[in-house]
Amino acid sequence: GQNIDQPTEMTATEGAIVQINCTYQTSGFNGLFWYQQHAGEAPTFLSYNVLDGLEEKGRFSSFLSRSKGYSYLLLKELQMKDSASYLCAVADTPLVFGKGTRLSVIA
Amino acid sequence: SAVISQKPSRDICQRGTSLTIQCQVDSQVTMMFWYRQQPGQSLTLIATANQGSEATYESGFVIDKFPISRPNLTFSTLTVSNMSPEDSSIYLCSGTANTGELFFGEGSRLTVL
Repeated sequence: GQNIDQPTEMTATEGAIVQINCTYQTSGFNGLFWYQQHAGEAPTFLSYNVLDGLEEKGRFSSFLSRSKGYSYLLLKELQMKDSASYLCAVADTPLVFGKGTRLSVIA
Repeated sequence: SAVISQKPSRDICQRGTSLTIQCQVDSQVTMMFWYRQQPGQSLTLIATANQGSEATYESGFVIDKFPISRPNLTFSTLTVSNMSPEDSSIYLCSGTANTGELFFGEGSRLTVL
């Protein structure tokens, strides 16, 4: 079966750091993606992890542990424009999406 | 990165009618997919669009309701047939690059009255 879990909502303060966790159980695994989706817009690609470890890209970092079926997205120096939904998706041809985490950044 | 264009971007339709959404990518992609995103929900895969053959549908989706064409590598259409208010949703076309990254069109927002 396919199961991807992530928190439904999170709130963080502007300038702070927030970590969004994702756990997964899927029949296949060809990598894990994180997407950002602003309200009313299509998702946009943030990161792709296929090997264990941390991938850093500017203010955004993503971590993967395949043995634990676990990933997180780390957002640093939060800005108001980071308020969006963050979708964890496992590449199991095709992608299987989690329900998304709605992040609210407050002043 | 691949650019994916969809049209229409939005439409308001009457119950019982059908609407065809077009999707064009500007470079060759390995696979194309159609997703649905209902209000407040995550993305649900409708089907994989196969070039020159019938699409592969996910559980809960059937060809009579969502006929899909993909006559060549860079173009696909999704038709939402005999629409009801429950079909009000955003429909997203997507394509997979060789890297496995998935690119999305802007989405087509359908409202069925």
